Amino acid sequence: SQELEQSPQSLIVQEGKNLTINCTSSKTLYGLYWYKQKYGEGLIFLMMLQKGGEEKSHEKITAKLDEKKQQSSLHITASQPSHAGIYLCGADIPLNYGGSQGNLIFGKGTKLSVKP
Amino acid sequence: ETGVTQSPTHLIKTRGQQVTLRCSSQSGHNTVSWYQQALGQGPQFIFQYYREEENGRGNFPPRFSGLQFPNYSSELNVNALELDDSALYLCASSHGILGMRSTDTQYFGPGTRLTVL
Repeated sequence: SQELEQSPQSLIVQEGKNLTINCTSSKTLYGLYWYKQKYGEGLIFLMMLQKGGEEKSHEKITAKLDEKKQQSSLHITASQPSHAGIYLCGADIPLNYGGSQGNLIFGKGTKLSVKP
Repeated sequence: ETGVTQSPTHLIKTRGQQVTLRCSSQSGHNTVSWYQQALGQGPQFIFQYYREEENGRGNFPPRFSGLQFPNYSSELNVNALELDDSALYLCASSHGILGMRSTDTQYFGPGTRLTVL
């Protein structure tokens, strides 16, 4: 069955430092989504990547999808306390006959703490 | 444009009871997906509704059922509650196309925290 592995499980960084979170799939992805979640709350959409080699940026957050579409990274530059939370990657899984399942499979999340 | 809303925010039930959770989709979206998120885990797909029809289901027993209404809002019903049903229940709305599972970006609501005692 399809699984997503996220690493690290948790991360504590000093404010102003850069950091990277990784998401690895055992199978080729149809699409890869990054969400942020405050503890016990809903998921906030960050970015979606679909093409191999694609890279997107929003403010200080950059996400990349590798050429094989099995690994993605999320990079935060000059972290701030507002970046703290749980980062989840979600994958849209392709069907054999084309298209996708339409539901997302998620990793367990990476908990980010930013020390002022 | 209004976002996805869910009610109630929190709920406490006892084993064996039944519960109904509600979700209003984002304006312009016709597809609602429900997920269960246990503590420390990623969300798990329960089912998806497109234009009032179930359009895919995850590995959840039949006591988890749903409805979607003409205005695309949705309900999740859980019968015969078990302790393991305690979780955050998330709904997500997106735009779907007839005959295909929705692959558009899913936007999530704030969730309903269900506690089963």
